[in-house]
Amino acid sequence: KAGVTQTPRYLIKTRGQQVTLSCSPISGHRSVSWYQQTPGQGLQFLFEYFSETQRNKGNFPGRFSGRQFSNSRSEMNVSTLELGDSALYLCASSLVQGDGYTFGSGTRLTVV
Amino acid sequence: QQPVQSPQAVILREGEDAVINCSSSKALYSVHWYRQKHGEAPVFLMILLKGGEQKGHEKISASFNEKKQQSSLYLTASQLSYSGTYFCGTEINTGNQFYFGTGTSLTVIP
Repeated sequence: KAGVTQTPRYLIKTRGQQVTLSCSPISGHRSVSWYQQTPGQGLQFLFEYFSETQRNKGNFPGRFSGRQFSNSRSEMNVSTLELGDSALYLCASSLVQGDGYTFGSGTRLTVV
Repeated sequence: QQPVQSPQAVILREGEDAVINCSSSKALYSVHWYRQKHGEAPVFLMILLKGGEQKGHEKISASFNEKKQQSSLYLTASQLSYSGTYFCGTEINTGNQFYFGTGTSLTVIP
């Protein structure tokens, strides 16, 4: 079966711009989570969606937002980009909350 | 609430054993273990639930001590393919926020 698909794989943006990242979970998986990974901070939780509802949100500013659609696909948006937002953004899906997560390959965002 | 892992890094020779620990300041409902190779996404290894048994996966197994709020990952007779960064992930209650640990870099050399 197809894995978790994230698009785009790489992205270069300028400070102040906004960006939208997309994640298609494994078919049948209803829980989608987003993580920011940087060398210094490790894997930081952004938010989790289950059946189109945001169930949990990490400690990130309001510039970071997300949503989940009825087909479980999810998008993450970052507005007014800052240099510190440069990171690998990982999406993970699971059948139900608390199950093992399957990660996508990530989107590498570089803000210049 | 991020769990703390120890050691931060370890280097092993093929065939040696290793233990990676994950400690939380909060009572835990579940602990996950993942391995991430350089340039790749984390891969799920196993999950341990409160009240559950020790899990095993080939030569990689894990335990969950609820009283001590910690989990340990055991790698026996390590292989070159075991190299990577190991992360634990913890959940205080089902449906609660999931936190990844600080990570342990494991390198297996011939």
